[in-house]
Amino acid sequence: QQPVQSPQAVILREGEDAVINCSSSKALYSVHWYRQKHGEAPVFLMILLKGGEQKGHDKISASFNEKKQQSSLYLTASQLSYSGTYFCGTESNNAGNMLTFGGGTRLMVKP
Amino acid sequence: KAGVTQTPRYLIKTRGQQVTLSCSPISGHRSVSWYQQTPGQGLQFLFEYFSETQRNKGNFPGRFSGRQFSNSRSEMNVSTLELGDSALYLCASSLVASGGAYEQYFGPGTRLTVT
Repeated sequence: QQPVQSPQAVILREGEDAVINCSSSKALYSVHWYRQKHGEAPVFLMILLKGGEQKGHDKISASFNEKKQQSSLYLTASQLSYSGTYFCGTESNNAGNMLTFGGGTRLMVKP
Repeated sequence: KAGVTQTPRYLIKTRGQQVTLSCSPISGHRSVSWYQQTPGQGLQFLFEYFSETQRNKGNFPGRFSGRQFSNSRSEMNVSTLELGDSALYLCASSLVASGGAYEQYFGPGTRLTVT
């Protein structure tokens, strides 16, 4: 079953923060986050494993709440380059590289 | 290191024809997964290959098939094309076979248009 992402779209001004959520009805083994710009391939951002660890680099970080089967992606002090569609991909078991993707969150950062 | 490469980048086919798409993973990566991306259905998993064996399969009809060669390069084939097969086909390579914890890197995709 496809994870649910929220919000579906968000518009920010440069420097503002955003949070994108990804929820699953199934128990998750891992959550993968990607950003895709129009006409380009998805670009890997980070991966989180069950255990509730938080990860981050630069001004983008993410958390994984194993009890709620939910992951959140945090974008702080957004830049124009952050614009794109963000996807979470989930895996429910350690059976192979097959991700079930959410519907995506469109993020637009304006000057 | 070179990234994931896919050929061709664009393809136009007619209903009923068949098509073969190619994917070369990042050097050293042994797992290749294929995904279909459409505006209506989003990103959907097709299948995954590791060591020339299909390890996982998504919910697609048998017209969609694939294979992997000993050098980890992979091909996918779609037979008897339908209009609904028009999509961006992405392949992703991963370093380690056992799944869940390993990063997948996507290629630029093949844009297939069926007329």
